[in-house]
Amino acid sequence: QQQVKQSPQSLIVQKGGISIINCAYENTAFDYFPWYQQFPGKGPALLIAIRPDVSEKKEGRFTISFNKSAKQFSLHIMDSQPGDSATYFCAASKSYDYKLSFGAGTTVTVRA
Amino acid sequence: NAGVTQTPKFRILKIGQSMTLQCAQDMNHNYMYWYRQDPGMGLKLIYYSVGAGITDKGEVPNGYNVSRSTTEDFPLRLELAAPSQTSVYFCASTGTSGNQPQHFGDGTRLSIL
Repeated sequence: QQQVKQSPQSLIVQKGGISIINCAYENTAFDYFPWYQQFPGKGPALLIAIRPDVSEKKEGRFTISFNKSAKQFSLHIMDSQPGDSATYFCAASKSYDYKLSFGAGTTVTVRA
Repeated sequence: NAGVTQTPKFRILKIGQSMTLQCAQDMNHNYMYWYRQDPGMGLKLIYYSVGAGITDKGEVPNGYNVSRSTTEDFPLRLELAAPSQTSVYFCASTGTSGNQPQHFGDGTRLSIL
């Protein structure tokens, strides 16, 4: 079964809007939560990652929010741009475990 | 710096044929992985390796085999291709320090007819 559940499957946002993608996990041993971005025809690439000792991490227009008690984390894309149109995957792993459990992915389309 | 290189990019196979998907990395990474990506299903781990000579099964290993004779190369073999193996296959690698990013190749799109 999927260890990390991701929603929505797809979303459309207007240029300048906010995109929000949510993920939930069950395994309380997970303590590393990366997000990967994938463009068509390319492999996924690390976008941003967070550990549960902080509730939020921001890098440019991308922010991860983390709620340890709810076992949920989310990606917010502020001021969405057409170049952000891609598929986004959340993932989780345990410390120093070299295997990631991926969510099913969210396809984001930003309309100009 | 090439990173992770996968060949071929596209391939069409007939049912029952065999083939090897090639993966090479030039970052001296110990850990390497093979994933398959199906629409709406995310990335599923097929096999992984923690170093030359060491491999182990992931979530969906049936119908596949791997070998790791060198640090750089991690080929994936399909022995008897089946339509259910139609997918996009990604190879990835990462360093030995905990929770390093996985670096992905650009994938091999495989169709089995």
